[in-house]
Amino acid sequence: DVKVTQSSRYLVKRTGEKVFLECVQDMDHENMFWYRQDPGLGLRLIYFSYDVKMKEKGDIPEGYSVSREKKERFSLILESASTNQTSMYLCASRIRDEQFFGPGTRLTVL
Amino acid sequence: GQQLNQSPQSMFIQEGEDVSMNCTSSSIFNTWLWYKQDPGEGPVLLIALYKAGELTSNGRLTAQFGITRKDSFLNISASIPSDVGIYFCAGQFTNAGKSTFGDGTTLTVKP
Repeated sequence: DVKVTQSSRYLVKRTGEKVFLECVQDMDHENMFWYRQDPGLGLRLIYFSYDVKMKEKGDIPEGYSVSREKKERFSLILESASTNQTSMYLCASRIRDEQFFGPGTRLTVL
Repeated sequence: GQQLNQSPQSMFIQEGEDVSMNCTSSSIFNTWLWYKQDPGEGPVLLIALYKAGELTSNGRLTAQFGITRKDSFLNISASIPSDVGIYFCAGQFTNAGKSTFGDGTTLTVKP
């Protein structure tokens, strides 16, 4: 059974903190994605990765970076968290046309 | 990036009613996808469409790939309470690239 896991379901951080969101997939997929989901704005792509150590900016990469050291793991990093990064973050991996999503991490930045 | 306009933004319907939602784009796509997100979960793929004019069903769900390749429609017949959730359309150019998602349609079904 396909599985994408995210390290936390809920996270509360303070402004200025460095935040790591971890995503692991067990399907040996090459493509992985990070989105943020805000009410009325749908899913917006932050970064994606085609392979280990490869990354591409999505539509809203500002304030974020990513790391893909191993095929199964794709990390999203908020270098200095700000209140406007309070959101739901969704990770996905992909095979052919289908993306498999994790359950999401709801991040609150105070 | 490309913009997808999904409508309606939300729907409140009675159990048993049929539902229609659509997605339009300023750009053409060669694949259209429909996902559903249950409360507290990530989206799950419902239907994939690969050819202009294609009509595909999955149980009570039917989706169509528009002839112009710039739109797609999803219909749900005889809605039930477990249809509640957010429905997203997504378009993409190739099976190796990224998808562009619509803003979502939030469906509420009253028993």
